Amino acid sequence: QLQLQESGPGLVKPSETLSLTCTVSGGSISSSSYYWGWIRQPPGKGLEWIGSIYYSGSTYYNPSLKSRVTISVDTSKNQFSLKLSSVTAADTAVYYCAREELRHFGYWGQGTLVTVSS
Amino acid sequence: QSVLTQPPSVSGAPGQRVTISCTGSSSNIGAGYDVHWYQQLPGTAPKLLIYGNSNRPSGVPDRFSGSKSGTSASLAITGLQAEDEADYYCQSYDSSLSRYVFGTGTKVTVL
Repeated sequence: QLQLQESGPGLVKPSETLSLTCTVSGGSISSSSYYWGWIRQPPGKGLEWIGSIYYSGSTYYNPSLKSRVTISVDTSKNQFSLKLSSVTAADTAVYYCAREELRHFGYWGQGTLVTVSS
Repeated sequence: QSVLTQPPSVSGAPGQRVTISCTGSSSNIGAGYDVHWYQQLPGTAPKLLIYGNSNRPSGVPDRFSGSKSGTSASLAITGLQAEDEADYYCQSYDSSLSRYVFGTGTKVTVL
């Protein structure tokens, strides 16, 4: 059974960089059939797609966040990562990693809350 | 600011049928992009419920069904059960925005 698990700091200071890692188990991140994505959800609000990456390193991002987002992949560790720079309180959210196929997200991690506060 | 509009809430008694609409535009649903649906139980991650407009992943009860027409899509839940109380989100792709878009979300309450 495929499992995804987010990890990283739960508290980030304003103007700093948020860094999260998603570890994939029960399947290979190097599968040619899938992309791997990040999605976030501010407390009490809806879902927002951040960006996605292929195992080769090819990426595509939400244009509204593109200037601040970097997604990378480490196939040797079966992990992919998110970096979001210059964070503000508006970036406070539960961050989910997910497996993307045919433009939908079939498997999700449990999510991790990241709070931006000094 | 979401480009896919859903009703904030719907409710029904156990056993009833409820539907949730997802209204888009000519740059997303109307452009032919598929609609997918997710169920988010309280305090948990979203779970894929319907993909490709009307397909159910393995393990999803056939009480859940999806359809698409024009610039809108719908999710129907028949034989409503207490365990169906959750938030439901539609999702598609928008060619004008060049990104995946989610609906505003609908809270289903079982009376």
